[in-house]
Amino acid sequence: DTEVTQTPKHLVMGMTNKKSLKCEQHMGHRAMYWYKQKAKKPPELMFVYSYEKLSINESVPSRFSPECPNSSLLNLHLHALQPEDSALYLCASNLPGGRGADSPLHFGNGTRLTVT
Amino acid sequence: LAKTTQPISMDSYEGQEVNITCSHNNIATNDYITWYQQFPSQGPRFIIQGYKTKVTNEVASLFIPADRKSSTLSLPRVSLSDTAVYYCLVGVTYGNNRLAFGKGNQVVVIP
Repeated sequence: DTEVTQTPKHLVMGMTNKKSLKCEQHMGHRAMYWYKQKAKKPPELMFVYSYEKLSINESVPSRFSPECPNSSLLNLHLHALQPEDSALYLCASNLPGGRGADSPLHFGNGTRLTVT
Repeated sequence: LAKTTQPISMDSYEGQEVNITCSHNNIATNDYITWYQQFPSQGPRFIIQGYKTKVTNEVASLFIPADRKSSTLSLPRVSLSDTAVYYCLVGVTYGNNRLAFGKGNQVVVIP
């Protein structure tokens, strides 16, 4: 079990569908992340929210739309995806650190997305 | 870009100590070294973090030489359940830094 909960665990969607991935944490973390991981590859950073504000967008296509409604929730809205977007989508959180310390990332177990 | 280089894969027998070295020649003064473990179809899990010298916790040790250009994760007496991919990350997550995963090291524990 992890302290970061992602739903759904699995999702199959067509290229014309609209769906959303959800991530929730109650550890008081104020930074939340979306990563994408293809098979046998390392996780790739997509978005970072810090104090509910988008701070990093790694040039992700607009068919992926993140949202951080509050400090505990992170959503990823999906629209008009392509088959190559099929991957494991991981959410992570941590305490935004300051100089002299860094806070490890806490990951959920991901949503396995298949685009048909 | 990831700042780290790791061997791609290694096998080890149960009960042995496993050492995985990560090279990070361009480590910055403020950077921390953090190791994660990932099992198939799960998210990475934090193992250990250090800045310099040696850090030990209940699952692993981390050795960092004085120049900090490399680090070694040591897993004592591995079991089959330690079969996983291990990632070394160098950097910090604050200040809009893009903490990037390297390619990772697949450790396979053999009975």
